[in-house]
Amino acid sequence: GAVVSQHPSRVICKSGTSVKIECRSLDFQATTMFWYRQFPKQSLMLMATSNEGSKATYEQGVEKDKFLINHASLTLSTLTVTSAHPEDSSFYICSLLDGTSGGTYEQYFGPGTRLTVT
Amino acid sequence: SQKIEQNSEALNIQEGKTATLTCNYTNYSPAYLQWYRQDPGRGPVFLLLIRENEKEKRKERLKVTFDTTLKQSLFHITASQPADSATYLCALDSSGGSYIPTFGRGTSLIVHP
Repeated sequence: GAVVSQHPSRVICKSGTSVKIECRSLDFQATTMFWYRQFPKQSLMLMATSNEGSKATYEQGVEKDKFLINHASLTLSTLTVTSAHPEDSSFYICSLLDGTSGGTYEQYFGPGTRLTVT
Repeated sequence: SQKIEQNSEALNIQEGKTATLTCNYTNYSPAYLQWYRQDPGRGPVFLLLIRENEKEKRKERLKVTFDTTLKQSLFHITASQPADSATYLCALDSSGGSYIPTFGRGTSLIVHP
């Protein structure tokens, strides 16, 4: 399956600052990537769908001006958390879809980024 | 509303036994269902996918069943090992044929040596 990396794996920032998280597809050209957020013992919550060369599609309740997504190439998508607040502290995970599996869609996830806002 | 239910209580079993995890859903008509493994502080890893017209799928020590009448999937790990300890998530494709799956909360499995 596809290999996905994320950087950084952990980040601590002060309230009011911005943080950028990178998601890279190492061996797969991904026209679409996804960003999830996961709170402890909770399910993965889809935040947005990142489309290469176009604007991201955000899920209901996710502020697009706060969570800026840029999918500049087929192997890189970035999520920038702007003006971070402590409630933004969470585990952020990106993924890509492999749509080549005969009509079904397996997701390949990055290792995640733990964001802590102090 | 659509709901995916996985047992929130951890499943504790002894090494060598078969672990069985349950995923129930309501108000879905999924074309397929997936199971993922997630270790602490890591992203999920895809394990198995089963389509709506398949009753059972196997991969090594893993077996998944899919009962669309009961709206339930069972995930079995035979001859379980301590290394199988993790959280297991089920995911269903969303209604309307979206290819973006919706995830359950997952069930923690702890295999004791």
